[in-house]
Amino acid sequence: ETGVTQSPTHLIKTRGQQVTLRCSSQSGHNTVSWYQQALGQGPQFIFQYYREEENGRGNFPPRFSGLQFPNYSSELNVNALELDDSALYLCASSTGRYRGTLHFGPGTRLTVT
Amino acid sequence: ILNVEQSPQSLHVQEGDSTNFTCSFPSSNFYALHWYRWETAKSPEALFVMTLNGDEKKKGRISATLNTKEGYSYLYIKGSQPEDSATYLCANFGNEKLTFGTGTRLTIIP
Repeated sequence: ETGVTQSPTHLIKTRGQQVTLRCSSQSGHNTVSWYQQALGQGPQFIFQYYREEENGRGNFPPRFSGLQFPNYSSELNVNALELDDSALYLCASSTGRYRGTLHFGPGTRLTVT
Repeated sequence: ILNVEQSPQSLHVQEGDSTNFTCSFPSSNFYALHWYRWETAKSPEALFVMTLNGDEKKKGRISATLNTKEGYSYLYIKGSQPEDSATYLCANFGNEKLTFGTGTRLTIIP
């Protein structure tokens, strides 16, 4: 059973740029959710995808967008990067909605300068 | 309680001692309560998902209880070991999303 993987591990971008983060879900999981963890905070829910459709969204502006592909892998896109976007971005897969446990990837550390 | 709150923020426990910490959540906005353990440089790992008032779950030396009427959950660790050092996160599923607390950072002193 392959676990959740994320790429890249780290990256550095400058303010105003765009970034794409990638996540491969665990085998057999059809739901992917994305979280942002800023320093000193718990993970904040960005959005969730279920069978290629956005299925819930947290309090993040529209410049945060995503995709889920037929193989259930997912992308998180952030446009017009701001300094406050610097954070650890976690992807988690699951077999459905939140009754089931989330299986997290190792995260992508984004630094915006 | 409007958000998920965890206490204490951090604690140090002597190896062999038992410990517990708290997660508070809005009782009016509850569907499921999750606990995760997050070791440094690793991915968060699921410990428990609980849904029913009075639920008690156990995994080795770690156990958790749930009170949905008053909006809290306790996590207990019996006979702490160095490998228990981690941040313990709880999360409440309500309003169609999972809301995490800021975690309790546990350090076991050998």
